[in-house]
Amino acid sequence: AQSVAQPEDQVNVAEGNPLTVKCTYSVSGNPYLFWYVQYPNRGLQFLLKYITGDNLVKGSYGFEAEFNKSQTSFHLKKPSALVSDSALYFCAVRDYGGATNKLIFGTGTLLAVQP
Amino acid sequence: DTGVSQDPRHKITKRGQNVTFRCDPISEHNRLYWYRQTLGQGPEFLTYFQNEAQLEKSRLLSDRFSAERPKGSFSTLEIQRTEQGDSAMYLCATAGPGTDTQYFGPGTRLTVL
Repeated sequence: AQSVAQPEDQVNVAEGNPLTVKCTYSVSGNPYLFWYVQYPNRGLQFLLKYITGDNLVKGSYGFEAEFNKSQTSFHLKKPSALVSDSALYFCAVRDYGGATNKLIFGTGTLLAVQP
Repeated sequence: DTGVSQDPRHKITKRGQNVTFRCDPISEHNRLYWYRQTLGQGPEFLTYFQNEAQLEKSRLLSDRFSAERPKGSFSTLEIQRTEQGDSAMYLCATAGPGTDTQYFGPGTRLTVL
């Protein structure tokens, strides 16, 4: 069964510093990986996805993610954090069972950017 | 705003009452998903529609839950005889043909007293 793990419940970073939010995956085939962000009392907003191709994926709001097959990781990164980046971040993998393409989410990582 | 809308945004009900939520997808999106998110967890899949056909239901979707998507447009999720354990955020997501990206609505937060 497909799964993702987000080992950190919370990441703290100072504004202007680089940030990394970690995600590891376990899949039976080629992984389709996603990052979403959730602000308080809001739905999820799509940031970026990896399907195939370049291991470095660029997304919205200056975020990027690095796909590493040998380490089965898909970490989210940003060179310079903003206070407005403070939110809950979810990594997800597309499920291969059936034809639904449903997403399987991690438990989320709360990013806190201090001014 | 992703273009996916949900109504209501918040619902408070008493245990045993029935509730119904609505999701309006982006117009050209033929695929529609319902997820449930509880506090401190990521969203969990409930059910999936392709056009008007409900093609998959999770084991999480007990007999008290029913979902419809008449004419392949908006969708409704009904919970009968609500229980306190049903308290959660119910999220709708839609995707267009030929894409893996799902776009989420703002969610309906259900509180069962």
